[in-house]
Amino acid sequence: QVQLQESGPGLVKPSETLSLTCAVSGFSISSDYYWGWIRQPPGKGLEWIGSIYHSGSTYYNPSLKSRVTMSVDTSKNQFSLKLSSVTAADTAVYYCGRHPGAGYGGYYFDNWGQGTRVTVSS
Amino acid sequence: EIVLTQSPGTLSLSPGERATLSCRASQSVSSNYLAWYQQKPGQAPRLLIYGASSRATGIPDRFSGSGSGTDFTLTISRLEPEDFAVYYCQHHGSSPFTFGPGTKVDIK
Repeated sequence: QVQLQESGPGLVKPSETLSLTCAVSGFSISSDYYWGWIRQPPGKGLEWIGSIYHSGSTYYNPSLKSRVTMSVDTSKNQFSLKLSSVTAADTAVYYCGRHPGAGYGGYYFDNWGQGTRVTVSS
Repeated sequence: EIVLTQSPGTLSLSPGERATLSCRASQSVSSNYLAWYQQKPGQAPRLLIYGASSRATGIPDRFSGSGSGTDFTLTISRLEPEDFAVYYCQHHGSSPFTFGPGTKVDIK
């Protein structure tokens, strides 16, 4: 049974870089799936941030692309998110998730982490 | 970018009633790659439907999805107490993978 667990600081200062990690257990991150990040501002809807394949291939939401960097560590079975130059608008619950690729029915998230709340404030 | 609109914003129903939720896309969704998620307070979203009509693993058959092109529907045939939640649609065919704003199903 695949499980995902986000971790990282709950408080980040404006203009700094938000860094989160998602540890995957019960499933190899090197399998034929993609791994992504989604966020949800307080009381609002969901926003896809970006996704990464175990090869390191990435694709990002164009609205965040200039500030997002994702990486994968297959030896630790985990992947990470960095979001630079954060503002209060980046305050949200950040989820990591797994999704298949284009050859397997498209990019729907079939497994999610529990989410981690990140607040941007000085 | 495909923009998704969901209606109604809130649906007030009683247990046992039928719920019909709508998701409309600003342009045709390729291969009907439209998913539905359920989210309860304090929890992560849970995948219900993908490919417009395929139920995810473990999802009860009272949940069904239909539609094509730009108009999609999630139907809950008979609401159980645990079904009162927020429901989001998402197109999953091409980047960026956008979500709708959600429909809240609450108890009447």
